[in-house]
Parts: sequence; C-alpha cells; structure tokens
Amino acid sequence: DTGVSQDPRHKITKRGQNVTFRCDPISEHNRLYWYRQTLGQGPEFLTYFQNEAQLEKSRLLSDRFSAERPKGSFSTLEIQRTEQGDSAMYLCASSLVGQGDEKLFFGSGTQLSVL
Amino acid sequence: GEDVEQSLFLSVREGDSSVINCTYTDSSSTYLYWYKQEPGAGLQLLTYIFSNMDMKQDQRLTVLLNKKDKHLSLRIADTQTGDSAIYFCAERNTGGFKTIFGAGTRLFVKA
Repeated sequence: DTGVSQDPRHKITKRGQNVTFRCDPISEHNRLYWYRQTLGQGPEFLTYFQNEAQLEKSRLLSDRFSAERPKGSFSTLEIQRTEQGDSAMYLCASSLVGQGDEKLFFGSGTQLSVL
Repeated sequence: GEDVEQSLFLSVREGDSSVINCTYTDSSSTYLYWYKQEPGAGLQLLTYIFSNMDMKQDQRLTVLLNKKDKHLSLRIADTQTGDSAIYFCAERNTGGFKTIFGAGTRLFVKA
C-alpha cells in the first residue's frame, strides 16, 4: 500500500531562490490538495486539483506560487523568489471524490526553511 | 466566515480518558473530522461524523456532536503514551472542496 508521498522531506534554501516540491497521490485518487502549515497552526488550504484541472486557489497563494498536475497524477508546487515568510510545512493530500463523504489522506510534508 | 477553534493543550495520565473539544462556526458544515499528527509527520484521519449523527464510536474513540451548539468532542478511552500527538478538528460542507482545520490540541500523556 503506497500512501501519499512527498519529496523532498526537508528543503533549506536561501532567500530569493526558487524551490519545487513534488507530491505523488494515492493512485486512484482524483483530487489532490496542497496545504501549508506553520508552527502551532492547523493546515491552511492553498489549492486543489480535480484530475488535471486546478479548480481553486487560495488568496494565500501569491503570484510567486504555481502548482501543476499535468497528467492528473503527481503534482508539483513551485515557489519562486522565496521569502523568509514562506518557511512552513507544505502538505499534500489526496482523496477520491464521488462516494458521498470525502476523506483526505495526507503525505508527510515538505519542511521548507528559507534563510 | 468559517472558523474552527480548539483548546491548545491537554494533559492526562496514562489509562485515564481524554476529551478534546472543538467548536465551529459554519452551520452548513456537513462533515466533521478528527485528525492526528505525530512529530514530523502528516495528518492521519482518525474518525469523522456526518452532521445528521450525534455520536459515533470506533474502538477507543467516541465522537459527540452537538449541532445546536456547533460543538464537537473526541473522547479517547484508556489513553496511552502512544496517543501523545496533536489532534485537529476539521469541518467541510457538502459539495465543498475546502476542509477547514482548527489550530490543534496538543495531548500530553503522562506515564
């Protein structure tokens, strides 16, 4: 059983650099979400995909952030010109929609530290 | 707007019951969830309840929902040291795409 996997687990970067994270969802899941979690807080919604279509983006997602899910399977989240305020845990979750209830399955996250 | 609130800390002795409380503001919430997060890990779904239910039991876990007061609780019976973690309450609407999380309750279990 392969759950949601995220890569890398940790990323340390200097301010101004670009970073890219990858998420591999559970294979039969049609929805994929990105959340951000800062210390002492719950996850905050960033964006989600239904298959390959990006259907909603949070106001938290500035122009420096872009997410893709090109073939409706894995997804990438890129942050350009990183700022110290981008330091957080970036969580990916997937779900199978269409059976009434929706249960999110989370990956272990990518911890980003911007120096 | 949508908001989910939880108390920040709870400390219990091993073997006792733990009760974690949560309040939410969105009266149209249909699904209410409890997730567990251990250090350095993602969130694990523990249990969930539909808004047309008032109780759900799953082994050591009991969820109580008071829809009138928009209050949700999670009771863990016979709490063990392995239950030490952060517990998140979350809510979602029917047909909605966004799950709203509380800030989490840190449960400390003393041996």
